[in-house]
Amino acid sequence: GEDVEQSLFLSVREGDSSVINCTYTDSSSTYLYWYKQEPGAGLQLLTYIFSNMDMKQDQRLTVLLNKKDKHLSLRIADTQTGDSAIYFCAETPPTGYKLIFGSGTRLLVRP
Amino acid sequence: TAGITQAPTSQILAAGRSMTLRCTQDMRHNAMYWYRQDLGLGLRLIHYSNTAGTTGKGEVPDGYSVSRANTDDFPLTLASAVPSQTSVYFCASSDGGDHEQYFGPGTRLTVT
Repeated sequence: GEDVEQSLFLSVREGDSSVINCTYTDSSSTYLYWYKQEPGAGLQLLTYIFSNMDMKQDQRLTVLLNKKDKHLSLRIADTQTGDSAIYFCAETPPTGYKLIFGSGTRLLVRP
Repeated sequence: TAGITQAPTSQILAAGRSMTLRCTQDMRHNAMYWYRQDLGLGLRLIHYSNTAGTTGKGEVPDGYSVSRANTDDFPLTLASAVPSQTSVYFCASSDGGDHEQYFGPGTRLTVT
């Protein structure tokens, strides 16, 4: 079955690194995504990783994928107050373009 | 380009009434989606359409219907609203060759 799980809340101090974790169950997923939702807004794609990759880096963002453990993480370096938002992990099954979302992790960045 | 627009922004609806949530995209994307977002449950797919003229059921389709008469529009209809349909509804679209989904700003619906 398809299921994506995340912890609900993370609080970090400004300037520290944030690590948001996600586990998924569908080992046949082709893509895994991180979306960001700011208050009162829709979701925006932050980054994604192909299932045959272990790591992807994009400026302050680092995505790590452990396929054996079905674990995905998003690391935000030098976290800023503007990074405060809800972060959603999502996977795409191999058939079609539907996304399966986790419940979201609310990141709070303290000054 | 506007991307995806949704209307209304918010609505209070009496139980038993019907309502159509509108979604329009100007990106000529093939696929469109409707999600509902509830606290602690993330986004759940209600219905989707891979191309104009076709629709499919998502994870939570009961109580909702959709149509896709053309590429740009994907309305979501609640035939007889119930309080459990109180939620924030997001429309999204994607191009067949691009896995990114683009989201609208959402419609906040309260069923009383």
